[in-house]
Amino acid sequence: GAGVSQSPSNKVTEKGKDVELRCDPISGHTALYWYRQSLGQGLEFLIYFQGNSAPDKSGLPSDRFSAERTGGSVSTLTIQRTQQEDSAVYLCASSPRQGDQTDTQYFGPGTRLTVL
Amino acid sequence: RKEVEQDPGPFNVPEGATVAFNCTYSNSASQSFFWYRQDCRKEPKLLMSVYSSGNEDGRFTAQLNRASQYISLLIRDSKLSDSATYLCVVTGPGAGSYQLTFGKGTKLSVIP
Repeated sequence: GAGVSQSPSNKVTEKGKDVELRCDPISGHTALYWYRQSLGQGLEFLIYFQGNSAPDKSGLPSDRFSAERTGGSVSTLTIQRTQQEDSAVYLCASSPRQGDQTDTQYFGPGTRLTVL
Repeated sequence: RKEVEQDPGPFNVPEGATVAFNCTYSNSASQSFFWYRQDCRKEPKLLMSVYSSGNEDGRFTAQLNRASQYISLLIRDSKLSDSATYLCVVTGPGAGSYQLTFGKGTKLSVIP
């Protein structure tokens, strides 16, 4: 079956512009996660959705970052007024159950964001 | 102290060799532990979960020592296709046990 998909696969933008990154989770998965991976760094947790609500936004690095999820499916991560330090690969993952710590998280291929 | 620490490597080993990776974690409240594999410029994929009793999946064996907060991965009879970065992953910190905390990974290159 189809895995997690993300779009665009690559995004180059100028400093100060806003960007939207999209994630389509595996059909039927109730939990959705956003991470980012900067060059030479480990994956960093950003936000978690349980259905359409985000009980934990603690990983968002600043108020320029926001995310939403609609219909219990597609999620959008928005970065406003992008900065060069926002350059990273943004990864989305989904898992079947809500907040089950033993559940496998399946990752999408990521969006590689470059801020010039 | 970093939350999940791994030797970055690279580990360069010949085909057929046995190689072991270690990982330590700082959050004693972590409940679940995993090894993920990440190929160059690809997304992480679950390799195996890690249980206190130790578990094996073919050529791969994982061990967990909760008292020492230490996780290991042993790969026997290395194949060229095992070349990748291996990520040690634990749940937590805090109340969000769904949150995965990743190490920076250990790079393995299996040489013909």
